[in-house]
Amino acid sequence: NAGVMQNPRHLVRRRGQEARLRCSPMKGHSHVYWYRQLPEEGLKFMVYLQKENIIDESGMPKERFSAEFPKEGPSILRIQQVVRGDSAAYFCASSPPGNYEQYFGPGTRLTVT
Amino acid sequence: AQTVTQSQPEMSVQEAETVTLSCTYDTSESDYYLFWYKQPPSRQMILVIRQEAYKQQNATENRFSVNFQKAAKSFSLKISDSQLGDAAMYFCAYRSVSTGTASKLTFGTGTRLQVTL
Repeated sequence: NAGVMQNPRHLVRRRGQEARLRCSPMKGHSHVYWYRQLPEEGLKFMVYLQKENIIDESGMPKERFSAEFPKEGPSILRIQQVVRGDSAAYFCASSPPGNYEQYFGPGTRLTVT
Repeated sequence: AQTVTQSQPEMSVQEAETVTLSCTYDTSESDYYLFWYKQPPSRQMILVIRQEAYKQQNATENRFSVNFQKAAKSFSLKISDSQLGDAAMYFCAYRSVSTGTASKLTFGTGTRLQVTL
């Protein structure tokens, strides 16, 4: 059973461009979480999704950030008009229904130049 | 809202020795889960050990064990017989037993562990 997959592993964007980060959960996992880790800090929750539904987006910035988890395909975290402060590692985690453990992907390191 | 505090930004231990990393948390809930995650230089988050708050027995996984003091809201990680491969950032995390909006993980700021020869 493959682990949580994230791509790309590294993404470089210029200020004002869009960034799309993808997360494929483990097989059988229908719950996806996104976390952001700023340099030298811990992980901060952003959003929790189930298939086709956003359950909790209390950690998402109000502007420029959006997330989806369609019925088919990976979960996408989208950042529009990136700024230098968006430079961070973005981690995706998944869990099956009824299970409290979250399994993390390797992360995407976003650099905004 | 729950908070997790790790008061030791850095710790150092000699190979084969024992080290304890501290974690305290604040919550009004009576049942919850606690975790320790390891983040090596590869940045992959690796689950080290988990504790269910309703269990009085401290969790143990090989060389890793916890000291869970529910009344004091303390959850420390003990690493015995430290190895060079244990060098990493260690994060303490809290999760409510509730589902839905409460199922996110709340992390501490981390402790960087160095292992010396």
